[in-house]
Amino acid sequence: KAGVTQTPRYLIKTRGQQVTLSCSPISGHRSVSWYQQTPGQGLQFLFEYFSETQRNKGNFPGRFSGRQFSNSRSEMNVSTLELGDSALYLCASSLRWDTMNTEAFFGQGTRLTVV
Amino acid sequence: QKEVEQDPGPLSVPEGAIVSLNCTYSNSAFQYFMWYRQYSRKGPELLMYTYSSGNKEDGRFTAQVDKSSKYISLFIRDSQPSDSATYLCATLSGNTPLVFGKGTRLSVIA
Repeated sequence: KAGVTQTPRYLIKTRGQQVTLSCSPISGHRSVSWYQQTPGQGLQFLFEYFSETQRNKGNFPGRFSGRQFSNSRSEMNVSTLELGDSALYLCASSLRWDTMNTEAFFGQGTRLTVV
Repeated sequence: QKEVEQDPGPLSVPEGAIVSLNCTYSNSAFQYFMWYRQYSRKGPELLMYTYSSGNKEDGRFTAQVDKSSKYISLFIRDSQPSDSATYLCATLSGNTPLVFGKGTRLSVIA
């Protein structure tokens, strides 16, 4: 079965612009989480959605936002981009909140470069 | 103190060696433990998933969790050059998001 799909794979944006990243979870998975990965900080949690509701939120500024649609697909948006937002953005899906199974499967990520 | 501590390495071993990768965590509420493998410029791939304390084996990989000492281990037997990657430990409790260690970079030299 198809895995987690993230689009686009690569993105170059200018400081001050905004960006929207998309994530399609594994079929049947309604829980979607987003992470930011940088060499210095590792994987840092952004937010988690289940059934269109935000379940958890990490310690990121309000410029970072997300949402989930009724088909479980999720988007995250970063407004007023800063150089420090350059990172690999990863999406993971799981059966969490539906079952006791918390195995999380990741997509290939979107590499965002802010210039 | 970070919730999950992991030695970043790098760790370099000869082909065929047994590799031991370790993490410690601070929150005794953590119940689920995972190991991910991440190749360069790829997303993390789930290797092992365990609940509570104990061992789990899958081929050349063994995951160990000791909740009394808050210690997580991954052993790789007969290591191969294709095992060269960054290994990430992760954990969560019932309602918390997945928390990751910073990853250990492993190189297996042929």
